[in-house]
Amino acid sequence: AQSVTQPDIHITVSEGASLELRCNYSYGATPYLFWYVQSPGQGLQLLLKYFSGDTLVQGIKGFEAEFKRSQSSFNLRKPSVHWSDAAEYFCAVGAPGGKLIFGQGTELSVKP
Amino acid sequence: EAGVAQSPRYKIIEKRQSVAFWCNPISGHATLYWYQQILGQGPKLLIQFQNNGVVDDSQLPKDRFSAERLKGVDSTLKIQPAKLEDSAVYLCASSLLRGGPFYGYTFGSGTRLTVV
Repeated sequence: AQSVTQPDIHITVSEGASLELRCNYSYGATPYLFWYVQSPGQGLQLLLKYFSGDTLVQGIKGFEAEFKRSQSSFNLRKPSVHWSDAAEYFCAVGAPGGKLIFGQGTELSVKP
Repeated sequence: EAGVAQSPRYKIIEKRQSVAFWCNPISGHATLYWYQQILGQGPKLLIQFQNNGVVDDSQLPKDRFSAERLKGVDSTLKIQPAKLEDSAVYLCASSLLRGGPFYGYTFGSGTRLTVV
């Protein structure tokens, strides 16, 4: 069965520092992978997605993610974090038919 | 392009009462999803419609939850009777059918339900 694990429940980084959020997935075939961001009281906004091709994917707001099949990982990175990046981040894998299976999320706090 | 519309934004009810949520997907999106997001967890699919037919309702607690999508456009999710553990954010999403199952996948802002 497909599943997604986000090992870090909460991460705190200083403004301007680099960020990496971890995501590991379990899926039998080539996965469809997604990263979403959710601000308090808001819905889910798509940051980026991987379907096929180049394993380094660029997204919105300066985020990027790298698909590593050998490690079953799809980690999210940003070179310099801004205070407005504080939010909850969800990694998801797309199951056949359109269902998204989400990890439990990583809450990001940004120190001034 | 208008997004996925949901109402109400917030709802507080007592246990054993009933409640209904409404979703209007993006125009032209054939597929509609309802997800439940319990505090501290990722969203979990409750039910998926394609046009006005149910594709997947395997995770829907059918003894208390029901959903319909009349005319293949907007949708209503109902809980009757509500339990304390139903407190969650209910997210609606829609996607285009052509181009693949994840093309144009868009979430609404959600309805936050508190059962007291």
